[in-house]
Amino acid sequence: GDSVTQMEGPVTLSEEACLTINCTYTATGYPSLFWYVQYPGEGLQLLLKATKADDKGSNKGFEATYRKETTSFHLEKGSVQVSDSAVYFCALTTADSWGKLQFGAGTQVVVTP
Amino acid sequence: GAVVSQHPSRVICKSGTSVKIECRSLDFQATTMFWYRQFPKQSLMLMATSNEGSKATYEQGVEKDKFLINHASLTLSTLTVTSAHPEDSSFYICSAWPPTGQSGHAGANVLTFGAGSRLTVL
Repeated sequence: GDSVTQMEGPVTLSEEACLTINCTYTATGYPSLFWYVQYPGEGLQLLLKATKADDKGSNKGFEATYRKETTSFHLEKGSVQVSDSAVYFCALTTADSWGKLQFGAGTQVVVTP
Repeated sequence: GAVVSQHPSRVICKSGTSVKIECRSLDFQATTMFWYRQFPKQSLMLMATSNEGSKATYEQGVEKDKFLINHASLTLSTLTVTSAHPEDSSFYICSAWPPTGQSGHAGANVLTFGAGSRLTVL
């Protein structure tokens, strides 16, 4: 079945450091890929998405590129802020499982001043 | 962008009682909504797909008699946790597909999530 694997957290960074969260996937179909962010005590917010190979999703300084050859969708940000502290989820959905998101385990990111 | 609203955001109940959680799509109609469950420090697991005007579709291992889902209108789905026990304590999140372009993100439809409902069963 479809699955998403993320790097384990927590990831602790200093402000203005670079952030990379690895995400790889397996899917029987041709998936759409997403990164969601969950701030403490809140629900999920879509951060960015990519629907086909080589697409780059970007938002709020975060980027991720859909790499079909490596089945990856790594999340990157060049300079993090304290406000980026949250849990980040990589997820996918396919045409066969329309609307059903398969989530990774989530990676907690802690940014210190 | 499209908004999915959940109520209540937090609920505490006694063991053996039932709790209802509402999920509303604001400014759009949703024939299908999804209910997820999130245990502390864990990922989200899909519980069921709520279909307007028909029975919900439950994922394997989810007790349909325990988690009653009613999708009574195109803007409202409810999840009722019946005879709740402490092990049902969790964060329940619903989601829906807004019309193309209304999610706030350009391009294809994007699943929009509610803010979640934290259930604590004493």
